[in-house]
Amino acid sequence: EVQLVESGGGLVQPGRSLRLSCAASGFPFGDYAMHWVRQAPGKGLEWVSGMTWNSASTGYADSVKGRFTISRDNAKNSLYLQMNSLRSEDTAFYYCAKDVYSSGGGYFDLWGRGTLVTVSS
Amino acid sequence: EIVMTQSPATLSVSPGERATLSCRASQGVSTNLAWYQQKPGQAPRLLIYGASTRATGIPARFSGSGSGTEFTLTISSLQSEDFAVYYCQQYNYWPPESFGQGTKLEIK
Repeated sequence: EVQLVESGGGLVQPGRSLRLSCAASGFPFGDYAMHWVRQAPGKGLEWVSGMTWNSASTGYADSVKGRFTISRDNAKNSLYLQMNSLRSEDTAFYYCAKDVYSSGGGYFDLWGRGTLVTVSS
Repeated sequence: EIVMTQSPATLSVSPGERATLSCRASQGVSTNLAWYQQKPGQAPRLLIYGASTRATGIPARFSGSGSGTEFTLTISSLQSEDFAVYYCQQYNYWPPESFGQGTKLEIK
């Protein structure tokens, strides 16, 4: 089955760290750029970060630049998001999404169901 | 950074009628524009890409048009399952990938 499954969300205190994972299956993961998109409760979609198929190029939203790091392991069909110095405004559902292109800059044709990150003391 | 603006924020339409949703880009994005549908508790689903091409399995009542800075998603003869939130996204320039703030389509 073609799917993306996120994990690693939970309740974390402000200033702490969390690492999200996204497990891909049913398609050649290493052939595509991948992204993280988040959605605060009751709010719209916000692109967070993206990475090309070979990890050569990455991009970050200004709101997370310097605090979040995207990475991938093509041998494990997995995408990651290391989130440091977490803030209350980072509270959101985090979705993993597949780009249609290997180099990024495309639309997203496959989404995971999301994992909830709550930043609160 | 390209800013995507959707209108209206909420659209009330009766089942069986037509709905027209708009999306404007702060600068030209050619036809590199996608539309997504999101229902409560679900992930977004791709509806339209290339401004006007329906994704696999999307019914013909969904159609997209536009280029440059002005785009439209039209849903003809609304079905009950179409009431959801719709987002546009530009992918002409990245990073970042920009989404609109969404239009909630509700039953009138």
